[in-house]
Amino acid sequence: VQLQESGPGLVKPSQTLSLTCTVSGGAISSGNYYWSWIRQPAGKGLEWIGRIYTSGTTNYNPSLKSRVTISLEPSKNQFSLNLSSLTAADTAVYYCARSRMVPELDWFDPWGQGTLVTVSS
Amino acid sequence: QPVLTQPPSASASLGASVTLTCTLSSGYSDYKVDWYQQRPGKGPRFVMRVGTGGIVGFKGDGIPDRFSVLGSGLNRYLTIKNIQEEDESDYYCGADHGSENNFVEVFGGGTKLTVL
Repeated sequence: VQLQESGPGLVKPSQTLSLTCTVSGGAISSGNYYWSWIRQPAGKGLEWIGRIYTSGTTNYNPSLKSRVTISLEPSKNQFSLNLSSLTAADTAVYYCARSRMVPELDWFDPWGQGTLVTVSS
Repeated sequence: QPVLTQPPSASASLGASVTLTCTLSSGYSDYKVDWYQQRPGKGPRFVMRVGTGGIVGFKGDGIPDRFSVLGSGLNRYLTIKNIQEEDESDYYCGADHGSENNFVEVFGGGTKLTVL
């Protein structure tokens, strides 16, 4: 399975960011997996944004919950991230990743290569 | 939820060994952590999961036998033996907390490993 992020590289403050993760090598709706978004500001560490189950149930980082929506698009074998009310602090490389719905094996693997999003007017 | 603490930097000479540490906050000594390697300009790659009993599950694809883990108390260790140039990376630990209704994933700040 391979994951590839896509979306706009530049977004204006206060707007909504929309990113897509395209999954290849396996159907997103088959098997029991979590599909996550994780971001990394330049020179800084990783921050988990949220995840969606194959069933469509979601979990979000409490610090971002009010601004985040993650959804599945099985017909396109994709899942997406919407992040609203953007500020410069949301400038980061955004990654998508998969994890198994098996408690002892639910690490993030694989990851996409990441896509840089810059929030600026 | 746990806080994961990592030293910001570490270094080792080519062919030597190094141990990286991830420390869980108090009260979370039974937690497992995942180690991720991030080479310059690349996305993270799963290395392996570690609990107090050692490795949990299996290594990530392509992770050489030179990489091993141990866990003790609040500390989770990643040891790299016979360090190679390609091991120069940022290493992050991560841990999940909560159930399906209130799940959250947290990461340490990362350790930058320099190969001398």
